[in-house]
Amino acid sequence: QKEVEQNSGPLSVPEGAIASLNCTYSDRGSQSFFWYRQYSGKSPELIMFIYSNGDKEDGRFTAQLNKASQYVSLLIRDSQPSDSATYLCAVTGDSSYKLIFGSGTRLLVRP
Amino acid sequence: DAGVTQSPTHLIKTRGQHVTLRCSPISGHKSVSWYQQVLGQGPQFIFQYYEKEERGRGNFPDRFSARQFPNYSSELNVNALLLGDSALYLCASSRGPDSNQPQHFGDGTRLSIL
Repeated sequence: QKEVEQNSGPLSVPEGAIASLNCTYSDRGSQSFFWYRQYSGKSPELIMFIYSNGDKEDGRFTAQLNKASQYVSLLIRDSQPSDSATYLCAVTGDSSYKLIFGSGTRLLVRP
Repeated sequence: DAGVTQSPTHLIKTRGQHVTLRCSPISGHKSVSWYQQVLGQGPQFIFQYYEKEERGRGNFPDRFSARQFPNYSSELNVNALLLGDSALYLCASSRGPDSNQPQHFGDGTRLSIL
């Protein structure tokens, strides 16, 4: 079982719709959770982080965390074609110093 | 403010050679981490350094080594290069070493082994 699992996609949504990206993790001791956006050929860009159960909103982005279910998600409202990218979920492992990444979900926003 | 800077941006080497990759963290950040990303996968943790000391090491062979300098910049060294070392090498910096400190990535060094 992979430590951090994401559906590889592509997830295709029309412009203006809500995109929902999901991630599950195996280590119950994980403390911090991050979402990165990576455009093709570029490096990951931090877009959200969340530490506590519940929702955290920043502009069009909402991160949701459920530690009991070991589940973290990212909602993107009013999706734009410029949101088309791979979204990487990352969690801290058993040692706090490293991030463990999923393989990413490719999002395609259709104009 | 300048972000994380990495050099070089691209590098082509042959099997058996060694390579040194460089990273300068964001101003005020004292922790540097290195990751390897192969096509189609998420980044894999290699090392973390904080205050010039190694805080953690991922599941990579001893051919991989790193160090951090007094100005918090860092080098990643890879010896006896293999074809499988071809990847994007990412440096990330954070204010401190703990899990609640978000890590910010540089643009990476794309290493190709022939």
